[in-house]
Amino acid sequence: AQKITQTQPGMFVQEKEAVTLDCTYDTSDQSYGLFWYKQPSSGEMIFLIYQGSYDEQNATEGRYSLNFQKARKSANLVISASQLGDSAMYFCAMGGYSTLTFGKGTMLLVSP
Amino acid sequence: ETGVTQTPRHLVMGMTNKKSLKCEQHLGHNAMYWYKQSAKKPLELMFVYSLEERVENNSVPSRFSPECPNSSHLFLHLHTLQPEDSALYLCASSQAGIAGGISTDTQYFGPGTRLTVL
Repeated sequence: AQKITQTQPGMFVQEKEAVTLDCTYDTSDQSYGLFWYKQPSSGEMIFLIYQGSYDEQNATEGRYSLNFQKARKSANLVISASQLGDSAMYFCAMGGYSTLTFGKGTMLLVSP
Repeated sequence: ETGVTQTPRHLVMGMTNKKSLKCEQHLGHNAMYWYKQSAKKPLELMFVYSLEERVENNSVPSRFSPECPNSSHLFLHLHTLQPEDSALYLCASSQAGIAGGISTDTQYFGPGTRLTVL
């Protein structure tokens, strides 16, 4: 069985600062994918970034980067230069053979 | 239309009603999914369809009935729901489908249908 743990229910950051959202995972699979999604108050789940278990380089997408530490089973999301529009729920997820398992999410609030 | 669309965006229904949620993907993907998101609970996968065949049904009550007439459309038929079924229902699609294994297959979500059961 797969498990995703997000230990931070809420995070506060000031505009233009960097923030790290934590995610740890557990799986017995050798091949898996790790995803981060953003969910604004409107409800839509927006894909941010993906990391494959065999990828040696940390994934980056614009202001988003994924700090992947396989031995520690962690896949933290780093948002550089936070913007007001980054305020949302952030979900870490892991892809299994036929399912995608989500964590409980972290609410990020960006203040001016 | 682009991406994944869902209709209606909001739905209020009584416990004896029958309604359907519709999802359409314009991405040329082979797999489609239904998720339920309740307050204070992680997103729960309900159904997976790959190439129009159901491949996953995570012990969902029979009052939820999915239908996938083709790879672009997915429906969730609702009947005799309970108040605890009130939630945000999200549809998603992905490229590979089950044949390729979805562990590394990015899912793209629609905006969801917020369902309230009275």
